Amino acid sequence: GQNIDQPTEMTATEGAIVQINCTYQTSGFNGLFWYQQHAGEAPTFLSYNVLDGLEEKGRFSSFLSRSKGYSYLLLKELQMKDSASYLCAVLDSNYQLIWGAGTKLIIKP
Amino acid sequence: DVKVTQSSRYLVKRTGEKVFLECVQDMDHENMFWYRQDPGLGLRLIYFSYDVKMKEKGDIPEGYSVSREKKERFSLILESASTNQTSMYLCASSSGDHSNQPQHFGDGTRLSIL
Repeated sequence: GQNIDQPTEMTATEGAIVQINCTYQTSGFNGLFWYQQHAGEAPTFLSYNVLDGLEEKGRFSSFLSRSKGYSYLLLKELQMKDSASYLCAVLDSNYQLIWGAGTKLIIKP
Repeated sequence: DVKVTQSSRYLVKRTGEKVFLECVQDMDHENMFWYRQDPGLGLRLIYFSYDVKMKEKGDIPEGYSVSREKKERFSLILESASTNQTSMYLCASSSGDHSNQPQHFGDGTRLSIL
């Protein structure tokens, strides 16, 4: 079967750095997405990786290793507004998105 | 900016009712999707559509149907609502063929079936 694993919940301190991991086992791979979802709101697109390596976008970076079936989202200089759920999703060989259950990130002052 | 609009943020219906959830996007996207989101589970795909009048079953289509008569509008229908269909329903759209383009989501409809 197809599977995406993420930690259920993480806690970090304002101003610090946090890494949210995602491991996947899917039938084929056509890219990996990260989305942010604030409570009660729509998921919003953060990043897309299809090649190995690190993609940096301001305070957020996303890393992919296809051989390991592994990605992480790195958030730097954490702000209170970063408190949200972070969803990992993989595009499989049929171009269907397989979603992880999401990681709830709690930022403490 | 892409705008995906869902007709209701909150909806309460009774068991056995026929329920319509509407979704409209304003970016001329080919692809539209309906998901449900439940605590502890990832987004689960109910139905999707790659073009007008086309529909494909997702992972959990039972008890649902869809309609796409116009490119911008994708409707989800609960034929006879049941309590296990109480959930958050999210509509999304994306552009392109075999798309690696990101999906853009509406704000969701929180549906309660009593």
